[in-house]
Amino acid sequence: QVQVVQSGAEVKKPGASVKVSCKASGYIFTSYGITWARQAPGQGLEWMGWISFYNDNINYGKKFQGRTTMTTDKATSTTYLELRSLRFDDTAIYFCARIAVNTLAIDSWGQGTQVTVSS
Amino acid sequence: QSALTQPRSVSGSPGQSVTISCTGSSSDFDGYNYVSWFQHHPGKAPKLMIYNVTRRPSGVPDRFSGSKAGNTASLTISGLQAEDETDYYCCSYADNYTSVVFGGGTKLTVL
Repeated sequence: QVQVVQSGAEVKKPGASVKVSCKASGYIFTSYGITWARQAPGQGLEWMGWISFYNDNINYGKKFQGRTTMTTDKATSTTYLELRSLRFDDTAIYFCARIAVNTLAIDSWGQGTQVTVSS
Repeated sequence: QSALTQPRSVSGSPGQSVTISCTGSSSDFDGYNYVSWFQHHPGKAPKLMIYNVTRRPSGVPDRFSGSKAGNTASLTISGLQAEDETDYYCCSYADNYTSVVFGGGTKLTVL
């Protein structure tokens, strides 16, 4: 069955970088895309970007352009999200999810990765 | 893009129906039939309930239905059950499908 499994919790200092992984299984990886979103404490979902493996396009949310990089290792069906120059308000649960390229439905979500920025 | 606008909270009694609205600008919705709705229990993975405005993934009860009129999409939950109590988010594509925008989320309370 479709599974999207993320890496474990991270604690980082302000100014550092964090890299979260998202491993997919149970489907043809290159027929879909992966999107990233986050949820800060007490806040709603915030979209960060998405990568389509259909045409290798990567789109970042305006707020995250320049500070975020999404990369993929197709051999292991793993996508990575790197966020640099961390600030206290980057503390959040980070989610990855599969996007079906034909319907654009975000249909399978990872369990979330807690990233805490603390001095 | 600014977030899509949802009511902060809605409520209903068991067995009743509730509707959650999601309003965006024309650039969020115009020509795009890719509105989705997610159920999200805090601390857990969001669950897709509706996609492409009206379509339900397999396994989602037909008590959940979606619609759209102009710049407002709606999620209707009929026959409310206690287990439906949680947060719901809408989302859509914008900027020629290069970006995704979420609603601010609606907390559903089953009285």
